[in-house]
Amino acid sequence: GAGVSQSPRYKVAKRGQDVALRCDPISGHVSLFWYQQALGQGPEFLTYFQNEAQLDKSGLPSDRFFAERPEGSVSTLKIQRTQQEDSAVYLCASSLETLRTEAFFGQGTRLTVV
Amino acid sequence: DAKTTQPTSMDCAEGRAANLPCNHSTISGNEYVYWYRQIHSQGPQYIIHGLKNNETNEMASLIITEDRKSSTLILPHATLRDTAVYYCIQPSGAGSYQLTFGKGTKLSVIP
Repeated sequence: GAGVSQSPRYKVAKRGQDVALRCDPISGHVSLFWYQQALGQGPEFLTYFQNEAQLDKSGLPSDRFFAERPEGSVSTLKIQRTQQEDSAVYLCASSLETLRTEAFFGQGTRLTVV
Repeated sequence: DAKTTQPTSMDCAEGRAANLPCNHSTISGNEYVYWYRQIHSQGPQYIIHGLKNNETNEMASLIITEDRKSSTLILPHATLRDTAVYYCIQPSGAGSYQLTFGKGTKLSVIP
């Protein structure tokens, strides 16, 4: 497809379980971003990749969160030992260059930790 | 924290222009203002951005005051599908890549 694709769309995890969320950016887009959106709030920045390099991970809330983009295209956000407070929508976005161009967002993965 | 302030909510009659204000009093000379919107259960969608000149595209117009401390997003003929949360953003981060969304303005288009 032409847009940013995220999978799964919905994920229910038991507390303590590890999860992996996938993002397929638009082909050729250099920049890739992950955001976390809690219910009723705006999205919050997690991390930023330029090609395969993770240039900013300042928004990752704890060392249980890990993101990678090994070949500069598909990215995975992994959350270890999930907690209830991790329940949120995780959004992926890509852009052709830096954010002086428009960013395209996927529909997100809704994670519910029970 | 978001560097912009917006009203929490607004209503607009269908077919009328929707004017969404934003204050960004701390903006510096080389910082752009971006507008995104988020329709329920979807990811944010880019609308428009500008530096100091007014901008227009197929979706909206952006009017920036001469002192650059505020701007207004104009949807010229609002439709029901324009009901969404609208975010006015000053990107941050060393390369101006980081979007800080804040709470935005919930625009309700009324039939």
